[in-house]
Amino acid sequence: DTAVSQTPKYLVTQMGNDKSIKCEQNLGHDTMYWYKQDSKKFLKIMFSYNNKELIINETVPNRFSPKSPDKAHLNLHINSLELGDSAVYFCASSQDLALGYEQYFGPGTRLTVT
Amino acid sequence: DAKTTQPTSMDCAEGRAANLPCNHSTISGNEYVYWYRQIHSQGPQYIIHGLKNNETNEMASLIITEDRKSSTLILPHATLRDTAVYYCIVRVGSNYKLTFGKGTLLTVNP
Repeated sequence: DTAVSQTPKYLVTQMGNDKSIKCEQNLGHDTMYWYKQDSKKFLKIMFSYNNKELIINETVPNRFSPKSPDKAHLNLHINSLELGDSAVYFCASSQDLALGYEQYFGPGTRLTVT
Repeated sequence: DAKTTQPTSMDCAEGRAANLPCNHSTISGNEYVYWYRQIHSQGPQYIIHGLKNNETNEMASLIITEDRKSSTLILPHATLRDTAVYYCIVRVGSNYKLTFGKGTLLTVNP
């Protein structure tokens, strides 16, 4: 019954590896987001997709590539992982762009790069 | 989006009302005030939002001053489960990008 789910919950990997985080929402929402929360607890938006189209792409390195196979899924692939990528990554969704103020967040994926 | 200022932390006794202030003195006429919270190790949770009028829902009440330069989120009967970081966000209604600040850590004590 989870509205926004993410897998995995924890991810520990070495520098230079490539990894993916998956996100799924069962709310029937049109818009999905990826946020990053660093060690200082600042939460920053990375990407936003609306109906499978990229809407927001903040100044995120090219190593990060979101993919939306359908409206219910927004995956995040990270190439050549670096120590600074260690953070908690949250997926979120909203009904649509116009109602983007009410976003539903997933439980987060804690990524640790060693 | 206008900048917001919140106290770093606050304490509240269980069962009492928790009043969380937020200053947004540079708010413009078309900007809304939103409140989210983040319980430890969980994703943020939407609480409430408003433009000019006071708002109330099942979770909280939002009181916005007449000049709209500040607001207060009120949790009427705080419980231990309300311990969280509370974020006040000001943004244009059509802007779907949420910008989170440092927020206020509310600790509800037994």
